Amino acid sequence: EAGVAQSPRYKIIEKRQSVAFWCNPISGHATLYWYQQILGQGPKLLIQFQNNGVVDDSQLPKDRFSAERLKGVDSTLKIQPAKLEDSAVYLCASRKQGALGNTIYFGEGSWLTVV
Amino acid sequence: SQQGEEDPQALSIQEGENATMNCSYKTSINNLQWYRQNSGRGLVHLILIRSNEREKHSGRLRVTLDTSKKSSSLLITASRAADTASYFCATVERMDSSYKLIFGSGTRLLVRP
Repeated sequence: EAGVAQSPRYKIIEKRQSVAFWCNPISGHATLYWYQQILGQGPKLLIQFQNNGVVDDSQLPKDRFSAERLKGVDSTLKIQPAKLEDSAVYLCASRKQGALGNTIYFGEGSWLTVV
Repeated sequence: SQQGEEDPQALSIQEGENATMNCSYKTSINNLQWYRQNSGRGLVHLILIRSNEREKHSGRLRVTLDTSKKSSSLLITASRAADTASYFCATVERMDSSYKLIFGSGTRLLVRP
C-alpha cells in the first residue's frame, strides 16, 4: 500500500514570496490533515479535512495560509506571503474513517526555509 | 496548544541499554499514541494504547498508561543505534466529526554504538 505522498520535499523562498505544497493521501482515506512542525517542537495541526470539507481550521493563520481539497482526494497548502517564522516542516497525514481509523499516517514532509 | 509534555527532552544512552520516555497530558483521553521521527523524516506510528488499557507490548517496545496520573511511558529495551530518533506522544481529541492528534514536544533519543 502506497503511503502519503508529499511534494516538494524541500523549498527555499524569500520572505513575502508564495509557496504551495501538495499532498496525496493513502487511497481510501477520507480524513486529511496538514500539520506544521517547527524545528525542535512537536507537530501542530493547521487544518483537517473530511472528504472535501473542512472540519477544523482553527489554528490556520488564514491571513496568509490557505488549503483546499477540492475533489476529496489530494490537497494543496499555500502560504502567501511567507514570513521568516513560517520556516518549518509541513506534514500531511491521512486517516481511514470508522472503527479501523485510529492510526494516522504521515508523509515525509515538505521542508520550507524562508530567508 | 500542545497536550502532552515529554520528559526528558533529550536522552543519551549506550547501545544495549533501556530507554524510558515519559509523557504527561492534561485532559481525559480515548487513546494515546506514540510516534517516532527520524531526523529529516516524517512521523512513524509505533503503538496505540486505549484508555482502558494499562500496558501494551510491541516487540522491544512497552507502553504503560496511568489515566489517574494522566501519564504514559514508552520503554525501549535493548536499544540499538537505529533507535536514535525523536519520540512523540500524542493524544486524540475527538469533537463531533473531528478526530485529531495533539502532540507533545518530544524526546530526542541518542543511542551511542
